[in-house]
Amino acid sequence: GENVEQHPSTLSVQEGDSAVIKCTYSDSASNYFPWYKQELGKRPQLIIDIRSNVGEKKDQRIAVTLNKTAKHFSLHITETQPEDSAVYFCAASKGDNYGQNFVFGPGTRLSVLP
Amino acid sequence: DGGITQSPKYLFRKEGQNVTLSCEQNLNHDAMYWYRQDPGQGLRLIYYSQIVNDFQKGDIAEGYSVSREKKESFPLTVTSAQKNPTAFYLCASTTREITGELFFGEGSRLTVL
Repeated sequence: GENVEQHPSTLSVQEGDSAVIKCTYSDSASNYFPWYKQELGKRPQLIIDIRSNVGEKKDQRIAVTLNKTAKHFSLHITETQPEDSAVYFCAASKGDNYGQNFVFGPGTRLSVLP
Repeated sequence: DGGITQSPKYLFRKEGQNVTLSCEQNLNHDAMYWYRQDPGQGLRLIYYSQIVNDFQKGDIAEGYSVSREKKESFPLTVTSAQKNPTAFYLCASTTREITGELFFGEGSRLTVL
């Protein structure tokens, strides 16, 4: 089955710096890669996603890149702010006619220091 | 207001008791999922259902049971057979599109005393 690894497990950056979180997946059939942000005690919320036919996607300060050959994808946050502090999860999903099966990485705790 | 509603938000249970967590969605989603989250850990899949009256075990189904009698509802029962049930439980749903977004409920925090 699919296995998703995520690094680093914790990341501290100064406000205004960039943050990069990397994930690798094992199943080459996975075709959808979302990133979720989870604040303490809250539900995970989708912040950006990418489909397997796209190499890069950007939304304001957040971008995701996908390398299908190497089976890895990364989250890039620029100009970090204290409110970016949270746990970030990557996931890989393999959709078929029956539905989707999401496999999550273990998460990265990002701390943005003022 | 469309979304996923989980209840209760907090639940305390004595050892040996079964407890049922509710999950209701009005997004008209076919697929529903239950995940368990332990402190500092990722999301582990307990059960999922892609269609009414059908569900599949996830990676950690032992000690849990589910039903899917209605499209809107996917309750999770934590049985006394679950050895370490204290955790944060998240319900989620999505369409059956190949790349549909997964929406989460607010979560239910279960503590076994």
